[in-house]
Amino acid sequence: GENVEQHPSTLSVQEGDSAVIKCTYSDSASNYFPWYKQELGKGPQLIIDIRSNVGEKKDQRIAVTLNKTAKHFSLHITETQPEDSAVYFCAATPDRGSTLGRLYFGRGTQLTVWP
Amino acid sequence: NAGVTQTPKFQVLKTGQSMTLQCAQDMNHEYMSWYRQDPGMGLRLIHYSVGAGITDQGEVPNGYNVSRSTTEDFPLRLLSAAPSQTSVYFCASSYRGTENTEAFFGQGTRLTVV
Repeated sequence: GENVEQHPSTLSVQEGDSAVIKCTYSDSASNYFPWYKQELGKGPQLIIDIRSNVGEKKDQRIAVTLNKTAKHFSLHITETQPEDSAVYFCAATPDRGSTLGRLYFGRGTQLTVWP
Repeated sequence: NAGVTQTPKFQVLKTGQSMTLQCAQDMNHEYMSWYRQDPGMGLRLIHYSVGAGITDQGEVPNGYNVSRSTTEDFPLRLLSAAPSQTSVYFCASSYRGTENTEAFFGQGTRLTVV
């Protein structure tokens, strides 16, 4: 199955700085790459996703980039705010019949934004 | 819409006891999954289902059973709890299409086995 590596495991930034979280994947057939944010005591929630036919996607202060050749994708958060503090998970999965509905997650990044 | 509802939120079990973690969704999603979350390990898939009557194993299925008799419900059964099953369990659901879509997660069940 798919193997997703995520780095760093912890990240501390000053409010207003940018944060970057990187992930690599192993299955060249993977073509769906979502990012989830998990606040303390809650379930993960989708913040942005990208498909393999797109190299970059932005949503306000959040952007995701994908390099299919290198099999890595990254989450970029600009102008960070204390409320961005959370655990962030990347995931990857192929849109194959046998894997639809399944997600392979990285181990997570604890982001702390200091005021 | 309530989304994905998990019960209970917290549970303490003794080694060897059995219990069922409940999961219900009201979005008419065909795909449902159970994940466990352990420190430093991310979310690992236990079992999943692509529709009523159809289930399959994920990465860490040992010690857990599932069944899916309705579209709405996907309970997870621990047959004989072990301390290694101490974890936070999340249920998720997503729409069935020709490609993957957003997965909606419940609030989680924190299980401690002593």
